[in-house]
Amino acid sequence: DIVMTQSPDSLAVSLGERATISCKSSQSILYSSNNKNSLAWYQQKPGQPPKLLVSWASTRESGVPDRFSGGGSGTDFTLTISSLQAEDVALYYCQQFYSTPPTFGQGTKLAIK
Amino acid sequence: QLQLQESGPGLGKPSETLSLTCTVSGGSIGSTTYYWGWIRQPPGKGLEWIGNIYYSGNTYYNPSLKSRVTISVDTSKNQFTLKLSTVTAADTAVYYCARSGNVRGPFDYWGQGTLVTVSS
Repeated sequence: DIVMTQSPDSLAVSLGERATISCKSSQSILYSSNNKNSLAWYQQKPGQPPKLLVSWASTRESGVPDRFSGGGSGTDFTLTISSLQAEDVALYYCQQFYSTPPTFGQGTKLAIK
Repeated sequence: QLQLQESGPGLGKPSETLSLTCTVSGGSIGSTTYYWGWIRQPPGKGLEWIGNIYYSGNTYYNPSLKSRVTISVDTSKNQFTLKLSTVTAADTAVYYCARSGNVRGPFDYWGQGTLVTVSS
């Protein structure tokens, strides 16, 4: 299985400041057919299911605010929130969909400082 | 708007078979574009993919659970079902059904989830 490791486990950022979450895969998840990385980011608020924010490492889903951006390639990826809003407090997970079984990172808890 | 809704018993006993159904509304489970899957989350822990099914009945399972999992689809009812056999306390989790455009994700629509507790 591909192991996905997120850092940090928790993060506190001031409102309006930048928040960056990292995700590292234990092997490359570059899909050769389209030269894109098979990585997704999800946001999960308490009592709710995960919400897909970003797919293919950097493609933002429809309706997701543009302050969320995904980047990286190969084995190292980031999710950046450019200006933290109160409603962004949540758990964030990365997921690789390159190989079976698809696997998730352990999650990063984002809070307001 | 596509909606998914899990249903089934919230409590099970060790060694029994857990059975959950996901009912899809606002879209057809018979679409050739999508896969339908189950993902679980133990209380306070991370996410684990259980498996997916295509409308044709083709199934894809997590090898760690494959010996105990069966996923089936009923296109006439727009539903798919998860059966997990020989459950233990370690199977206590919130079980989500979800849709993906690929066998392995990403998962763009999710049900609200249902908590299943395994206890004697």
